[in-house]
Formats: sequence, structure tokens, C-alpha cells
Amino acid sequence: NAGVTQTPKFQVLKTGQSMTLQCAQDMNHNSMYWYRQDPGMGLRLIYYSASEGTTDKGEVPNGYNVSRLNKREFSLRLESAAPSQTSVYFCASSEGGWAEQFFGPGTRLTVL
Amino acid sequence: GEDVEQSLFLSVREGDSSVINCTYTDSSSTYLYWYKQEPGAGLQLLTYIFSNMDMKQDQRLTVLLNKKDKHLSLRIADTQTGDSAIYFCAEKCTNAGKSTFGDGTTLTVKP
Repeated sequence: NAGVTQTPKFQVLKTGQSMTLQCAQDMNHNSMYWYRQDPGMGLRLIYYSASEGTTDKGEVPNGYNVSRLNKREFSLRLESAAPSQTSVYFCASSEGGWAEQFFGPGTRLTVL
Repeated sequence: GEDVEQSLFLSVREGDSSVINCTYTDSSSTYLYWYKQEPGAGLQLLTYIFSNMDMKQDQRLTVLLNKKDKHLSLRIADTQTGDSAIYFCAEKCTNAGKSTFGDGTTLTVKP
């Protein structure tokens, strides 16, 4: 089992460019999450999907969109990247909202 | 809403015990977790405790929960340099579809 995989591992964008971060899990988990991690600000939830077909906003959803493509995949899209979106992005999945979350290795995004 | 707070830094000597503290605000917390993040990696669950428990021990790790004060601690006995990492406290509240994470405590272990 690969667990939670994320692509790409690193990305540099110019302001205004768009991109999609991909996340997939092979554990048959119901819930999936996108977080961003910034120095001194811990882990902040962007969006989550409690089950296939549903998505909900987290703490910091502005500037992002998500798609729960199927049970395995949950993508995060930046339509018009801004320097404030420079961060490390983590995808996670869990069996349910109460359960242990399994994290991917992260995507390091720099917006110039 | 839910809020989870931790001190940002802790430094200990190898072989000493480390105690990382966390406070939370939501009294309906049902599960409380400790995650570890090593440099350049994602978070991994270390241990968790149900809200109806006071203590949980797992090898070198001891979790203490004081529900009255909404205080959670993680004690690492005989701390090693490999324990240097960021430790996150998280809570899951009843009826919430997600967990809330603290900002993380960076533990530095000096030889």
C-alpha cells in the first residue's frame, strides 16, 4: 500500500498562474483533507471531504477549490496563484472524522 | 469554535524526560491525538486518548488528560535525539467532521 500520495512534490508558480495539486489514497478511506502549513502558524485546514460526493470549507478556503473526483482522489486547485499561497500543502485521509489521519509527504509550493 | 493551543518550543537534554502540553477549549472533545512531524515529512499519529480516559501509556509515551482543565500532555521518557521533531496536539469533537490541530511544539533534543 502506498498510503497517501501527492503530486507534485515541488512547484514554482508565477502570480496569476493556475495549478492543481493531486492527492490519492489507497486505504479505502471515506474522509480526505487538504491543509497548508506555514512557519509559526501550524496546520490550517483548507477544505475537507467527509465522504465521496461532499466537500466542506475549512479554516482558510479563500483562493482554493477542491474536487472529490472519486473515493480515492481529492484535488486542490489554485485558480490564480498569489504569493500568500506560498506554503507546504498536505493531503490527509481517514476512515472517518474521528479516526487517525494519514498524511501525504507534502507539496512545497512557491508563488513568485 | 474549537481552539487548541501549545507552546511553540521545548529543548531538553538526551536522556531527560520531555513534557509537551496542550490546552483545548471544546468540552465536547471525544478524541485527543498526538502527531509527530519529522523534517520534510507529513504528520504521523503517535498516540491518542479517548475523552473518558485519564491516562494512556505506550512504551516511552505517557498521555495525561485533565478534562476539568481541558489540558492534555505528552510525556516522552528517556528522550533521544531521534525524538527531535514537531509534535501536534489535535482534538476531535462530537458531531464535527474534522479534527482541530494546535500549532505544534518543536522539540529539540541536545546530546
